[in-house]
Amino acid sequence: GENVEQHPSTLSVQEGDSAVIKCTYSDSASNYFPWYKQELGKGPQLIIDIRSNVGEKKDQRIAVTLNKTAKHFSLHITETQPEDSAVYFCAAGRGGSQGNLIFGKGTKLSVKP
Amino acid sequence: DVKVTQSSRYLVKRTGEKVFLECVQDMDHENMFWYRQDPGLGLRLIYFSYDVKMKEKGDIPEGYSVSREKKERFSLILESASTNQTSMYLCASSFGGASRDTEAFFGQGTRLTVV
Repeated sequence: GENVEQHPSTLSVQEGDSAVIKCTYSDSASNYFPWYKQELGKGPQLIIDIRSNVGEKKDQRIAVTLNKTAKHFSLHITETQPEDSAVYFCAAGRGGSQGNLIFGKGTKLSVKP
Repeated sequence: DVKVTQSSRYLVKRTGEKVFLECVQDMDHENMFWYRQDPGLGLRLIYFSYDVKMKEKGDIPEGYSVSREKKERFSLILESASTNQTSMYLCASSFGGASRDTEAFFGQGTRLTVV
């Protein structure tokens, strides 16, 4: 079946460095790729998303890139801060199934002061 | 702000009990979802619903059922709880209709322990 692979599973960076998380997906019909951040004790919250008609999207320190040919998409966080420490999930919209997302297994990001 | 509220943060139930997890959203969203979250496995879809009284199986429906009698409420039912259903359960909702893929809003989760 369809799946989303996410790497790395853990990532530790120094404050101020950049962090990159990469995902690949298998469903060629996927057109929507959101990223969620989950802080301890909370539900996931959307931080940025991208649709297949766009190759890159940026929101302040966060950017997402999409290569639909290669079925890759990535999250880039620049100038990391301790409050960026959380678990990040990528997801892909399941083609032909309204609003239905397939999630990656998550990346635990630790930003050291 | 969209609010998705799950009725309990923590639950402890005995093996064989029937368990109800309740979820309510206040933004008139058509779509509602139940996921379970386990370490190293991410979020896996159990059931979802596009409208009142409608339900669709997700990737891991075995041992679960759902009920959607009102648009704002989506219930997950464990017919006979087992220890392998110990997990974090997350409810989500999203706008449906003509916009096929839209932001999903999550509740805070219910950590269920089956003993």
